[in-house]
Amino acid sequence: GDSVTQMEGPVTLSEEAFLTINCTYTATGYPSLFWYVQYPGEGLQLLLKATKADDKGSNKGFEATYRKETTSFHLEKGSVQVSDSAVYFCALLLRTGGFKTIFGAGTRLFVKA
Amino acid sequence: EAGVVQSPRYKIIEKKQPVAFWCNPISGHNTLYWYLQNLGQGPELLIRYENEEAVDDSQLPKDRFSAERLKGVDSTLKIQPAELGDSAVYLCASSSGQGAQNEQYFGPGTRLTVT
Repeated sequence: GDSVTQMEGPVTLSEEAFLTINCTYTATGYPSLFWYVQYPGEGLQLLLKATKADDKGSNKGFEATYRKETTSFHLEKGSVQVSDSAVYFCALLLRTGGFKTIFGAGTRLFVKA
Repeated sequence: EAGVVQSPRYKIIEKKQPVAFWCNPISGHNTLYWYLQNLGQGPELLIRYENEEAVDDSQLPKDRFSAERLKGVDSTLKIQPAELGDSAVYLCASSSGQGAQNEQYFGPGTRLTVT
């Protein structure tokens, strides 16, 4: 069935380190792909998205490229800050049979000063 | 502009008791979602409304869960009776449509503990 797989956390990095959080998906058709972020005590909020193959989503220094050939949408940031500590969710939006969003399990990121 | 409002933020009840959660979406958003989030997992859709119509309730356990959105604005999710396994965070989200361009906005969630 349709699913999203994220790398397990927690991921612990020092400030200014490079971040990669892996995300792969299984889906029929051509889904849109998203990264959501959840800061402590807050609701999920959209970080970035890509709606077709080879699109690159970017926001707040984060980037992810929709790779259809590897069914991946890895999240990257060149230099993380303490304020980036949060849980990151990869998600896909299916259009077949009505619109449905499927989320990954989330990856917790801790950034140390 | 106010975001998605949920109440209560926390609820502790004994098993077999009823419980209700309330959600007020962003003004003008016609699509409303209820999600269940277990610890260490991503959100899972329970029900999606387009205005007052439930267009996807395939994952809602209808023997004990019910939801309503009578006037197409705010919504209530009810569990009766609650079971220990219902302990989780219940998230509400809204969007101005359902297409790929329509971002979902999430509330902070209601954390339910069933003892």
